[in-house]
Amino acid sequence: GAVVSQHPSRVICKSGTSVKIECRSLDFQATTMFWYRQFPKQSLMLMATSNEGSKATYEQGVEKDKFLINHASLTLSTLTVTSAHPEDSSFYICSAYDGVSSYNEQFFGPGTRLTVL
Amino acid sequence: DAKTTQPNSMESNEEEPVHLPCNHSTISGTDYIHWYRQLPSQGPEYVIHGLTSNVNNRMASLAIAEDRKSSTLILHRATLRDAAVYYCILRAHPQGGSEKLVFGKGTKLTVNP
Repeated sequence: GAVVSQHPSRVICKSGTSVKIECRSLDFQATTMFWYRQFPKQSLMLMATSNEGSKATYEQGVEKDKFLINHASLTLSTLTVTSAHPEDSSFYICSAYDGVSSYNEQFFGPGTRLTVL
Repeated sequence: DAKTTQPNSMESNEEEPVHLPCNHSTISGTDYIHWYRQLPSQGPEYVIHGLTSNVNNRMASLAIAEDRKSSTLILHRATLRDAAVYYCILRAHPQGGSEKLVFGKGTKLTVNP
């Protein structure tokens, strides 16, 4: 199956700093990418949907000015957590859709664990 | 989005079959039934999907009730590597675009050696 990578896999930062997480589709072009957040022992919560070359669509309750999403190319989407605080500590996961798969399978990255001190 | 209901947890012994149930009584005629699983500290991975007929692939089988209000994911011989949270998700398949996945709480499968 198609491969999606995320970088970094883990990041620790100080409160108030910004952190950028990259999501790349390695062997296919992703027309749509999704960003999820997962707190310990909870399910994945969709944060936003991004389409290449257009603005992301954020889910209700997700602050678009705090979680900046850029999908500048068909193989790269970035999520920037601005002015991170301890409550932003979470597991961030991206997924990508290739626009070709006949059953709309999404391919998930391995996740990025963010810890804000 | 149509809702799914799964048991919070299940246990199995290694090399035995596992049947993971999912109820989706409000499923619409155009909803596909997808299963993903998430191993500890990893992103989810696709397992299987179906619409009306039972489906088999190298990972699992999917048995869909005739009225489509429930389905069962079948792992024929559980291994320790199958220990994960299994999510049953309903999705429409729109033409020319993707549809977001809405994850419920899933079923945490424990496989005993």
